[in-house]
Amino acid sequence: EILMTQSPATLSVSLGETATLSCRATQSVGANLAWYRQTPGQAPRLVIYGASTRAAGIPDRFTGSGSGTEFALTISGLQSEDFAVFYCQQYNRWPRTFGQGTRVEIK
Amino acid sequence: VQLVQSGGEVKKPGASVNVSCETSGYSFATYGISWVRQAPGKGPEWMGWVSTYNGNTNYAQKFQGRVTMTRDTSTNTAYMELRSLTSDDTAVYFCARDSPGSLWYYPFDSWGQGTLVTVSS
Repeated sequence: EILMTQSPATLSVSLGETATLSCRATQSVGANLAWYRQTPGQAPRLVIYGASTRAAGIPDRFTGSGSGTEFALTISGLQSEDFAVFYCQQYNRWPRTFGQGTRVEIK
Repeated sequence: VQLVQSGGEVKKPGASVNVSCETSGYSFATYGISWVRQAPGKGPEWMGWVSTYNGNTNYAQKFQGRVTMTRDTSTNTAYMELRSLTSDDTAVYFCARDSPGSLWYYPFDSWGQGTLVTVSS
């Protein structure tokens, strides 16, 4: 099983600033890495897939990067709807596995 | 694309639960369905996958022997049954659109709204 580790667990950021979230896999997943955003009471929503491709309707302030075992999600110009929990997920192998999440909170 | 799940359930320990996921807006048999659960305050946990094309399944080892995933192509609906429930199974259960098989690599691009399953005596 591929384990996904996210850091930090919590990120405190001011509105308009930039947040960088990290995700590491215990073995290579190539570019088969997705990021999801989840707000309370909602299902996760796909933000980035293929490590760097924005999903439909996702603004260009979201940037995904990395390949293999090291990945990052950068959110520029944070807006109120970006304060949420973000999860990375590998879909290179079964079982699909998720990171434990990074909570982005308002500073 | 829409995935609409059945309503919340309250079950006693030892019971079974069935959750349905009715899909619309796309060709059902061209994507698989994965089931993911999320315990209170925890991250998502993948439970398994069902092929909507031929009914093949792939279950997480943790749930082997306790879960069954099926689909009905006449109603474009996927089902997940979890047996021998304990309080540790209290969680929100989601269905999500996934790849049609192991040769494809798809993220979960559409999700159901979630079904809260509460296990309590």
